[in-house]
Amino acid sequence: QKEVEQNSGPLSVPEGAIASLNCTYSDRVSQSFFWYRQYSGKSPELIMSIYSNGDKEDGRFTAQLNKASQYVSLLIRDSQPSDSATYLCAVESTGNQFYFGTGTSLTVIP
Amino acid sequence: DAGVTQSPTHLIKTRGQQVTLRCSPKSGHDTVSWYQQALGQGPQFIFQYYEEEERQRGNFPDRFSGHQFPNYSSELNVNALLLGDSALYLCASSFGTNTDTQYFGPGTRLTVL
Repeated sequence: QKEVEQNSGPLSVPEGAIASLNCTYSDRVSQSFFWYRQYSGKSPELIMSIYSNGDKEDGRFTAQLNKASQYVSLLIRDSQPSDSATYLCAVESTGNQFYFGTGTSLTVIP
Repeated sequence: DAGVTQSPTHLIKTRGQQVTLRCSPKSGHDTVSWYQQALGQGPQFIFQYYEEEERQRGNFPDRFSGHQFPNYSSELNVNALLLGDSALYLCASSFGTNTDTQYFGPGTRLTVL
């Protein structure tokens, strides 16, 4: 079983719509959760971090965490073509090890 | 303020050879982590260096080794290269254990023929 699993997509949404990205993790004691964005040919950049159950909002991005269900999600409101990228879910697990999912490819159609 | 830098940008090696990749952390950062990202996959944690010592290690064989220098820069060494070692190697720097501040470098693309 993979440590972090994401729906690989690809996911296509029209401009202005809400994009929903999902991630599950296997280590129940994980405490820190991150979403990274990676443009093609570039390195990952941090979008959001979340540590507590519930929602965390930052501009057009909302991260949601449910530790009981071992589930993390990222919502992107008012999606823009510039949001087209691969989104990586990362979990800091036992022993401060970072595990990344395989990423979800998002395309925002103008 | 310089970000994380890595060298070289691209590298081509043949099976069995050895390679050294280099990373300079972002100014003010003292922790360096290395990741391997195969095509179409997420980054996989190789190891992390802090205070010139390996602090954490992922599930990688001993062929992968590293070093951190007093100026916090770091090297990743891979011996006896295999075709499967072809990947993008990413360096990320952070301050102490604060992973919120983990910034990635542009990566080194290694191709093993």
